[in-house]
Amino acid sequence: GAGVSQTPSNKVTEKGKYVELRCDPISGHTALYWYRQSLGQGPEFLIYFQGTGAADDSGLPNDRFFAVRPEGSVSTLKIQRTERGDSAVYLCASSLDRGYNEQFFGPGTRLTVL
Amino acid sequence: QKEVEQNSGPLSVPEGAIASLNCTYSDRGSQSFFWYRQYSGKSPELIMSIYSNGDKEDGRFTAQLNKASQYVSLLIRDSQPSDSATYLCAVKTSYDKVIFGPGTSLSVIP
Repeated sequence: GAGVSQTPSNKVTEKGKYVELRCDPISGHTALYWYRQSLGQGPEFLIYFQGTGAADDSGLPNDRFFAVRPEGSVSTLKIQRTERGDSAVYLCASSLDRGYNEQFFGPGTRLTVL
Repeated sequence: QKEVEQNSGPLSVPEGAIASLNCTYSDRGSQSFFWYRQYSGKSPELIMSIYSNGDKEDGRFTAQLNKASQYVSLLIRDSQPSDSATYLCAVKTSYDKVIFGPGTSLSVIP
């Protein structure tokens, strides 16, 4: 079946603007994860959803970052008042359920804040 | 101490050799361990998972886990140029979070 999809693949925005990044997980996967990856680093955990609820949002760096998953499938990561330091690749992953934990990643969204 | 550490790269091996990638972790209660491969400009791809002490083999890849030493490794036999990538170690900790290491860059020289 189809893998994890993310849109857009690239996003360029200006400092202070608002952006939304979308993730569509593998069908049937109840767990969804957002990560941020900077050059030369491993993925950094942001938030994890089990179903519709955010089970762990401890990785969100500040209150400018917010994510939703209203119907337990597609998720949107929202960043307000973007800063140049937010520039990174934002990765979404899904897994069959929480206990399974073998995560399958989407292609990522490269965010550039000018 | 960082939660998941990997041997610093880049690591270069000749084609046909064995590549050895190492990872240590700090949370003694960790139970699940994963190796991901990431090609330049691409997203991570799961290649191995291991849950019990010992070796787990899948084709040319062998994952080794030693919980007492808090150490997990990945061996790639008969390395091919197509194995050139960054290898990420990921650990599911006792507090139910998956933490990724910084990655080790592997270059297989033809």
